[in-house]
Amino acid sequence: GDSVTQMEGPVTLSEEAFLTINCTYTATGYPSLFWYVQYPGEGLQLLLKATKADDKGSNKGFEATYRKETTSFHLEKGSVQVSDSAVYFCASTNAGKSTFGDGTTLTVKP
Amino acid sequence: GAVVSQHPSRVICKSGTSVKIECRSLDFQATTMFWYRQFPKQSLMLMATSNEGSKATYEQGVEKDKFLINHASLTLSTLTVTSAHPEDSSFYICSARLPATDTQYFGPGTRLTVL
Repeated sequence: GDSVTQMEGPVTLSEEAFLTINCTYTATGYPSLFWYVQYPGEGLQLLLKATKADDKGSNKGFEATYRKETTSFHLEKGSVQVSDSAVYFCASTNAGKSTFGDGTTLTVKP
Repeated sequence: GAVVSQHPSRVICKSGTSVKIECRSLDFQATTMFWYRQFPKQSLMLMATSNEGSKATYEQGVEKDKFLINHASLTLSTLTVTSAHPEDSSFYICSARLPATDTQYFGPGTRLTVL
């Protein structure tokens, strides 16, 4: 079956540092790829998405590019803020079914 | 983005009782909704896919008689945990799929504690 592997956490950064959270997937066919963010005690919020190869999703300074050749969808942000502290989930959706990575906890310190 | 609500956000019940959780898509009609369970510091585990007007599709290992799902309208799906036990205590999250897309919008979750 499909699977999503993302960078293990926790990740701790200082404010304004550069962020990368790696995500790779295995899937038959051509899945859509997503990044979700979860704040403590809350559900998941859609952060960004890409539906085909070479698409770049972006939102709130976060970016991720759908790389078919490396089956990756790494999340990046040039300058993180304390308010970005959360758990980030990478996910793929294929034939209507979603597969989630294990989540990466990000803590940004002032 | 689209809004999905869940009610209640938190519920505490006694062992042996049943608990109903509602999931509503507030600004779009969803023929498909999903129910997930999340354990502390872990990822989401898909429990079942809820299809409006038909029976839910349960994932392997999920007891359909224990976790009753009803998708009675295009904006409402309910999950009933029957005869709850302490091991059912968890964070339950629903999502609704935007029609004709792969995009799911998630509810804020329901924390269930069974005493």
